[in-house]
Amino acid sequence: NAGVTQTPKFRILKIGQSMTLQCTQDMNHNYMYWYRQDPGMGLKLIYYSVGAGITDKGEVPNGYNVSRSTTEDFPLRLELAAPSQTSVYFCASRPPLHFGNGTRLTVT
Amino acid sequence: TQLLEQSPQFLSIQEGENLTVYCNSSSVFSSLQWYRQEPGEGPVLLVTVVTGGEVKKLKRLTFQFGDARKDSSLHITAAQPGDTGLYLCAGVDSGAGSYQLTFGKGTKLSVIP
Repeated sequence: NAGVTQTPKFRILKIGQSMTLQCTQDMNHNYMYWYRQDPGMGLKLIYYSVGAGITDKGEVPNGYNVSRSTTEDFPLRLELAAPSQTSVYFCASRPPLHFGNGTRLTVT
Repeated sequence: TQLLEQSPQFLSIQEGENLTVYCNSSSVFSSLQWYRQEPGEGPVLLVTVVTGGEVKKLKRLTFQFGDARKDSSLHITAAQPGDTGLYLCAGVDSGAGSYQLTFGKGTKLSVIP
């Protein structure tokens, strides 16, 4: 049972590039979440989904997009990467929250 | 916006000492969760407290939920180096068909052998 799997683990982007952070879970959870974690700032909610085809904005959605075509997958898209998006990104599903091991993204 | 104030932000203690981490808010939560995170990994749930005044124990860790469900504490007895990590509290809002968590900024604990 893999739980929540995130890829890639590390990525370096140049300003203006785009990328998709992948997240998949095999626990058949309806609720899925994307958080970003900055040093000393805790976890901030970017987007969440209560089921396939349904997504909603969290606290810090600007610069990101998501889709949820299946229960298993919840990818996070960065269209025009900016230095402010340098962070560690965590995907999670519930209940209770099961986190992946994160993607460390650097935008230079 | 609901806020959770967590204190202290950093804590460095000797092995065998006791410590308490606090998590305070002006908002009422459906429940409150505590997570522990190690470097390079995602947070892992330690406990969920639901009822005001509830106390839960996990070996040497004692978690308490305030009577008004606005605050919580984590007490570690006789800390061990294996307790080192980032401790996060999270308030749960399960109203209106959603299930959202508000996280505190975390307490980074170092237990020195």
